[in-house]
Amino acid sequence: EVQLVESGGGLVQPGRSLKLSCAASGFTFSNYYMAWVRQAPKKGLEWVATISTSGSRTYYPDSVKGRFTISRDNAKSSLYLQMNSLKSEDTATYYCASLYLRCFDYWGQGVMVTVSS
Amino acid sequence: DVVMTQTPPSLSVAIGQSVSISCKSSQSLVYSDGKTYLHWLLQSPGRSPKRLIYQVSNLGSGVPDRFSGTGSQKDFTLKISRVEAEDLGVYYCAQTTHFPFTFGSGTKLEIK
Repeated sequence: EVQLVESGGGLVQPGRSLKLSCAASGFTFSNYYMAWVRQAPKKGLEWVATISTSGSRTYYPDSVKGRFTISRDNAKSSLYLQMNSLKSEDTATYYCASLYLRCFDYWGQGVMVTVSS
Repeated sequence: DVVMTQTPPSLSVAIGQSVSISCKSSQSLVYSDGKTYLHWLLQSPGRSPKRLIYQVSNLGSGVPDRFSGTGSQKDFTLKISRVEAEDLGVYYCAQTTHFPFTFGSGTKLEIK
């Protein structure tokens, strides 16, 4: 059974940093592109980052470029999102998702990040 | 950025009826490889999103064939035949042809 389990969320002050993790199991993690997608409270979905199978290529929207860094450890079947210079508008539930044929395939249960003083 | 316009924003339908949701993109979603990376997701209440259809018309694993997707270029439709109670939730279209990947604003399906 495919499982994606996010962790590392919480309450953080504006301007501070937080690192999310996503533990994958039930599939060959190293064969899949991976992504982070977020959802602000009562809002829609927003793509945050994508990483290639080897980790050599990463992609971000302008809203997080230069502040967020996606990375992966294939030996540990783990995905990460380092979030720096956090803003109130980064408050959201963050999901990790596998990408299959460029489609968001399996999703984790999500982890809440609240940016507030 | 590619803007994805979904209509209607909400639907109320009786069990057994059929419904259609429209998704229009501001640019063609045909990629350089000739494929169209337009997908449909369902987020049931309190749950994570789930893939329903990928690349316009391909059913995800375990998705009932009551769901179907059609369309091309910039105009796409999700059809649900014989709606069941478990189909309630918010439906999103998503494009992964162009960076940044973008989503529609969602269509909330309620059961009468």
